Amino acid sequence: DGGITQSPKYLFRKEGQNVTLSCEQNLNHDAMYWYRQDPGQGLRLIYYSQIVNDFQKGDIAEGYSVSREKKESFPLTVTSAQKNPTAFYLCASSRVGPLTGGAGNQPQHFGDGTRLSIL
Amino acid sequence: DAKTTQPNSMESNEEEPVHLPCNHSTISGTDYIHWYRQLPSQGPEYVIHGLTSNVNNRMASLAIAEDRKSSTLILHRATLRDAAVYYCILRGGGDMRFGAGTRLTVKP
Repeated sequence: DGGITQSPKYLFRKEGQNVTLSCEQNLNHDAMYWYRQDPGQGLRLIYYSQIVNDFQKGDIAEGYSVSREKKESFPLTVTSAQKNPTAFYLCASSRVGPLTGGAGNQPQHFGDGTRLSIL
Repeated sequence: DAKTTQPNSMESNEEEPVHLPCNHSTISGTDYIHWYRQLPSQGPEYVIHGLTSNVNNRMASLAIAEDRKSSTLILHRATLRDAAVYYCILRGGGDMRFGAGTRLTVKP
């Protein structure tokens, strides 16, 4: 079955440590996204990528970094600069990126998330 | 990006229809209306989307007002598995932003 796989499901970070969250998709989608969700809140966009080797900051990019070396992979690193990293992180993909013509007609597909906590 | 307004919570009885409203008075002509739902500790799940005409699929129906300033997601027969947070989102030339959504409770 095609879909998005996020790993690990749970992750713990020590103070001053960088951690990397994995996101893989086999939907052959061009665009991928990372969102952060805090308890009782909606999703906030961290980064998105329209194509390989391209990515753009979202609303809350500070303290995070990404790479897009392969079409199917979009890992997110939560750096030590992110002072409040405890949250639920969601990865998504869509057939085309948000700035591509016809993007509005394309749904996003989401993974099951990674829950990050501070030790 | 245009914004949407949804009630914080709604309740429904099992086996009855549910109408979830969404207001989007500043929608642009190219914005599509998308609905997603999220179960606890899971990622959002796509439900339905449309531009101008009403849409139906196996999960739900989407009724769009003639002026496109509001829409309604219709679940024809609510089940306990439909209890979730439902998000109404506009998607056009930019990225997608999710508000807090509507928390739907389904009572047996």
